Amino acid sequence: AQKITQTQPGMFVQEKEAVTLDCTYDTSDPSYGLFWYKQPSSGEMIFLIYQGSYDQQNATEGRYSLNFQKARKSANLVISASQLGDSAMYFCAMRGRSNYQLIWGAGTKLIIKP
Amino acid sequence: DTGVSQNPRHKITKRGQNVTFRCDPISEHNRLYWYRQTLGQGPEFLTYFQNEAQLEKSRLLSDRFSAERPKGSFSTLEIQRTEQGDSAMYLCASSGTETTNEKLFFGSGTQLSVL
Repeated sequence: AQKITQTQPGMFVQEKEAVTLDCTYDTSDPSYGLFWYKQPSSGEMIFLIYQGSYDQQNATEGRYSLNFQKARKSANLVISASQLGDSAMYFCAMRGRSNYQLIWGAGTKLIIKP
Repeated sequence: DTGVSQNPRHKITKRGQNVTFRCDPISEHNRLYWYRQTLGQGPEFLTYFQNEAQLEKSRLLSDRFSAERPKGSFSTLEIQRTEQGDSAMYLCASSGTETTNEKLFFGSGTQLSVL
């Protein structure tokens, strides 16, 4: 079975500091995709970053980067220079075997302190 | 590109009533998904459409739930004889392809409260 685990229910981080949100996954498929989404209090899921299982380099999107360690089955999200607007729920997700269903973790609530 | 639109944003109903939600995907997207999210959890997959065809339904989708996408554009999700356990955020998403790296675009969801 495919599974995503996010072990940090909540995190407090000082503004301008970097933050790492943990994500581990379990799958037997050789080909898969890993996603991070942000969900502010408004409810909309906002795509942040994607990593493919065959990608040789870690994905980066602006202040977001993904620390992909395939052997450890981890895909941690790193946010550099955190901002107050980064306060939100963050979800790690994996493209399922069916190729259209996303499997989601339970999320991490990130609060940025001024 | 106006994004994915969901209506209503909030719905309060009494147990036993029927409710219907609507989702308008991004116009050029032929793939549409429904997810359900309860408080403190990640979303759970409910169903998937490619154009008007419903290709997959989760076991979570009991026979009280039905989804349609009659013309391959907007979709509706109906819950009959609502129960308190149906209280959740119902999220709709769309995408343009089925590739592994295709990101989903989500609407703001419909928050259902069953009293």
